[in-house]
Amino acid sequence: SQQGEEDPQALSIQEGENATMNCSYKTSINNLQWYRQNSGRGLVHLILIRSNEREKHSGRLRVTLDTSKKSSSLLITASRAADTASYFCATARGGGAQKLVFGQGTRLTINP
Amino acid sequence: GAGVSQSPSNKVTEKGKDVELRCDPISGHTALYWYRQSLGQGLEFLIYFQGNSAPDKSGLPSDRFSAERTGGSVSTLTIQRTQQEDSAVYLCASSRTGGDYGYTFGSGTRLTVV
Repeated sequence: SQQGEEDPQALSIQEGENATMNCSYKTSINNLQWYRQNSGRGLVHLILIRSNEREKHSGRLRVTLDTSKKSSSLLITASRAADTASYFCATARGGGAQKLVFGQGTRLTINP
Repeated sequence: GAGVSQSPSNKVTEKGKDVELRCDPISGHTALYWYRQSLGQGLEFLIYFQGNSAPDKSGLPSDRFSAERTGGSVSTLTIQRTQQEDSAVYLCASSRTGGDYGYTFGSGTRLTVV
């Protein structure tokens, strides 16, 4: 069943603007992760936020997590054309090996 | 190796034939995962391995799909009697365990059943 659901499904902005993508999920989680995918191939891990964390930063990325609302957001500041990709959130419910459940993704287009 | 390696990168097969997809994870990663992604869609979980055992096979779509992992390393996903609906990109990932870790994905195998 679908766990993470991203919103919006597609986002188009101008280079230099900030991009915000949201993710909602249904069950309790151990951590939530964001991935980027270029050209429909392998995904690249961007950032992981644990259930007891509320905000995390990595370079131009800022992730927030609200476990009471079962939602997360990914903010990319000062966007660049190279940020054009699909972005997926994924949730882990814990255990020795983390089976991640992925959402449908947000397609982000940065216009030069 | 330095990354997760999948082969072949592309596979075109005739309906009804069997195919084998290979995944070579990062050395030392005890967990290995198979997902598939249809065009423009999210990732659908298939199976994961902890060492050589598969605690969760719940995502395998039918009994035509099977997977094995040997020596805690290389994994093979086999699809028997392929159907057109099996066409997708099959993605393999590996990770460390015992804590909160992200996945490292391979580049995938694009399977086309004609």
